[in-house]
Amino acid sequence: DGGITQSPKYLFRKEGQNVTLSCEQNLNHDAMYWYRQDPGQGLRLIYYSQIVNDFQKGDIAEGYSVSREKKESFPLTVTSAQKNPTAFYLCASSIVGWEQFFGPGTRLTVL
Amino acid sequence: SQELEQSPQSLIVQEGKNLTINCTSSKTLYGLYWYKQKYGEGLIFLMMLQKGGEEKSHEKITAKLDEKKQQSSLHITASQPSHAGIYLCGALNYGGSQGNLIFGKGTKLSVKP
Repeated sequence: DGGITQSPKYLFRKEGQNVTLSCEQNLNHDAMYWYRQDPGQGLRLIYYSQIVNDFQKGDIAEGYSVSREKKESFPLTVTSAQKNPTAFYLCASSIVGWEQFFGPGTRLTVL
Repeated sequence: SQELEQSPQSLIVQEGKNLTINCTSSKTLYGLYWYKQKYGEGLIFLMMLQKGGEEKSHEKITAKLDEKKQQSSLHITASQPSHAGIYLCGALNYGGSQGNLIFGKGTKLSVKP
């Protein structure tokens, strides 16, 4: 089955710790995206990548970092510099310019 | 920058009733996407509209893009409990690189049996 997976589904972090969220796709899509969703808000773009070894900042990149070493994988690291990291994180992939397919999401809670 | 406004923010309907959700853009839409989200889950792609006046249907859901390409509507006929969820519109953001989407804040739909 082709699809996009995210792990873990739930993640708890202590203040001051970095955590990495996983995103993998086997749809052969060139583009991958990370969004953050807060209650009552739409999705906000954190980072995106249209090709391996290249990525661009989105609207709210501060406190986050990414890598794109493989076409299938686009991990997101939430660093201690992110002031309010508790949120629902969604990863997506697409053929550039076409509809995005989303993973099931990771809910991050800072304790 | 482009913004998408959805209305209403939330909606409660009786099963079997029709309903409409609107998405209005501050700029011309070059690609409008509708997604559905169950609470705590990822987004499911519903439909994409590109041309002014375009209309697409899937089962009991119909989406339209107006001729001026600044407003889209999502219409559900004879609503069912399975239609409950959050509906989000997304648009291609031409302020950034091609392919990026901006989203409205969503419309929460509840269907009472």
